[in-house]
Amino acid sequence: AQKITQTQPGMFVQEKEAVTLDCTYDTSDQSYGLFWYKQPSSGEMIFLIYQGSYDEQNATEGRYSLNFQKARKSANLVISASQLGDSAMYFCAMREGQFGNEKLTFGTGTRLTIIP
Amino acid sequence: SQTIHQWPATLVQPVGSPLSLECTVEGTSNPNLYWYRQAAGRGLQLLFYSVGIGQISSEVPQNLSASRPQDRQFILSSKKLLLSDSGFYLCAWSRPGQGIKQYFGPGTRLTVT
Repeated sequence: AQKITQTQPGMFVQEKEAVTLDCTYDTSDQSYGLFWYKQPSSGEMIFLIYQGSYDEQNATEGRYSLNFQKARKSANLVISASQLGDSAMYFCAMREGQFGNEKLTFGTGTRLTIIP
Repeated sequence: SQTIHQWPATLVQPVGSPLSLECTVEGTSNPNLYWYRQAAGRGLQLLFYSVGIGQISSEVPQNLSASRPQDRQFILSSKKLLLSDSGFYLCAWSRPGQGIKQYFGPGTRLTVT
């Protein structure tokens, strides 16, 4: 069963607009974590933001924020004031497992293209 | 500061040939280490992870194997490559007991012909 679902294979957004990338997850663990990574065309995976399952406030990192809705099992990434350099693949991932034995499960990604 | 290296950056190998990809981490001790594969246009699939020297866990049955001969060295191998082994291979590390964030290497793009 798919544990991380990203339903938007591709998105086109005008520069300077805000964009929301969707992510839903499935887990029976009480303790888990949710991540967003950015993968530009160079291939490297760049960590953007993290949300722990017990964190009560939504995580924010500069222009990135994570809209965490635990009851709905969603962890959408919001990018404010998009820039041309934001064009990339974006992956949502979930951490499960015990301390020292964590594993990440990734979604299939969303390709974001910023239009000038 | 910590850095993670992978080599080679790109590799073209014929079907049936052996494979050895190397990943090393600097600036940290006893990291958890991970090998992922990313097929074209797809997400990342965890292949192997290691919590210590000689300790390897395999996530999916496949044509590949992994070894950790030293604390900060992680090697991905195959005796005979298949066409389906083509992809982008990423190594990652995380701090032991604090797997909140995984740090990824630059990746190796493998094409099996």
